[in-house]
Amino acid sequence: SQQGEEDPQALSIQEGENATMNCSYKTSINNLQWYRQNSGRGLVHLILIRSNEREKHSGRLRVTLDTSKKSSSLLITASRAADTASYFCATFDMKTSYDKVIFGPGTSLSVIP
Amino acid sequence: GAGVSQSPSNKVTEKGKDVELRCDPISGHTALYWYRQSLGQGLEFLIYFQGNSAPDKSGLPSDRFSAERTGGSVSTLTIQRTQQEDSAVYLCASSFSADGEAFFGQGTRLTVV
Repeated sequence: SQQGEEDPQALSIQEGENATMNCSYKTSINNLQWYRQNSGRGLVHLILIRSNEREKHSGRLRVTLDTSKKSSSLLITASRAADTASYFCATFDMKTSYDKVIFGPGTSLSVIP
Repeated sequence: GAGVSQSPSNKVTEKGKDVELRCDPISGHTALYWYRQSLGQGLEFLIYFQGNSAPDKSGLPSDRFSAERTGGSVSTLTIQRTQQEDSAVYLCASSFSADGEAFFGQGTRLTVV
């Protein structure tokens, strides 16, 4: 079953606007990560937030984590056309020490110039 | 090398043939993941290696799929008797620890005709 689920599945905004994507997950986690994928190839790591953190910033990115609601959000401020990509959240399940990083289905973001 | 290297980058094969996909992780990374991504879809977990052992093979779609990792480094994913539904991009990622930032290769685009 899917551990992380992003919402919305697709998002289209004008350049300069903010983009918000959400991620929900099901079990206890050690950390939550956000990745970006351009053109259906390799993913690039954006940011990692640990389970004891509530908010983290990196440039124009702001990530929040609410472990009580099992959810996270990724905010991209002042979006640019180059931000057009698919964004995935990934969680490391704490059920067992050998569990794996699970990715959600992703949010496809289109930033219109 | 500087990053995760996958080969070949593209592979076209006839239905029924066997294919072997290779992943060269970043030196020193003990965790290695294989994912599959169909067009416009999220990442489907296939298998996870910690060192040379694969504690979690639960994602392998059928017994036609197998993977190994030798010397705690290079991994090969083998698909026997390929089917058209095997067509996808196969992504490999490695990380220093199981729950750390994952570095992705550019993937192998497999097309079964």
